[in-house]
Amino acid sequence: GQQVMQIPQYQHVQEGEDFTTYCNSSTTLSNIQWYKQRPGGHPVFLIQLVKSGEVKKQKRLTFQFGEAKKNSSLHITATQTTDVGTYFCAGTSNDYKLSFGAGTTVTVRA
Amino acid sequence: SQTIHQWPATLVQPVGSPLSLECTVEGTSNPNLYWYRQAAGRGLQLLFYSVGIGQISSEVPQNLSASRPQDRQFILSSKKLLLSDSGFYLCAWSGTGLTYGYTFGSGTRLTVV
Repeated sequence: GQQVMQIPQYQHVQEGEDFTTYCNSSTTLSNIQWYKQRPGGHPVFLIQLVKSGEVKKQKRLTFQFGEAKKNSSLHITATQTTDVGTYFCAGTSNDYKLSFGAGTTVTVRA
Repeated sequence: SQTIHQWPATLVQPVGSPLSLECTVEGTSNPNLYWYRQAAGRGLQLLFYSVGIGQISSEVPQNLSASRPQDRQFILSSKKLLLSDSGFYLCAWSGTGLTYGYTFGSGTRLTVV
């Protein structure tokens, strides 16, 4: 079955630095979605990428979908304490089900 | 606007007791509905999904069952809870097709003791 792998599992970042989390699928995806879960909260949808090579930005967050539609990345610039949480990627290869990666848990050193 | 309600927020249940978690969606019709479980510090495991009333697909053989008695109501149940059923249970909905993100409920933290 489809598997979505996400690395790193943990990311400790100095405030103000940049970091990237990566997502890889064993199969070609129809789309890739990214979610953020704050500590103690529930996942919140951030963005969806559909097209091969697509790049989207949300303020300091840059999302990219690979040319082969089997990988994706999330890059955060100038990390802030508000960026703390777990970031999940999730891929769809059929109409109804998302397969979630295990998430990257981000902590920020002030 | 669409909203999703999930309750209770926390639950402590003894081993062997029954379980019923309810999720309702407002402001949309014929949503796809999902139950996920998240173990502490782990990712999201899809348990059940439903594309319509009475239509339930199970992803993982287990001690749980799901039902969709109404279009916007999704229920997660167990007849006898196990210790391993502890976790954070999340209900979610999406529109049909490939162009919609999931909207999650606030979750239920279940501790089986």
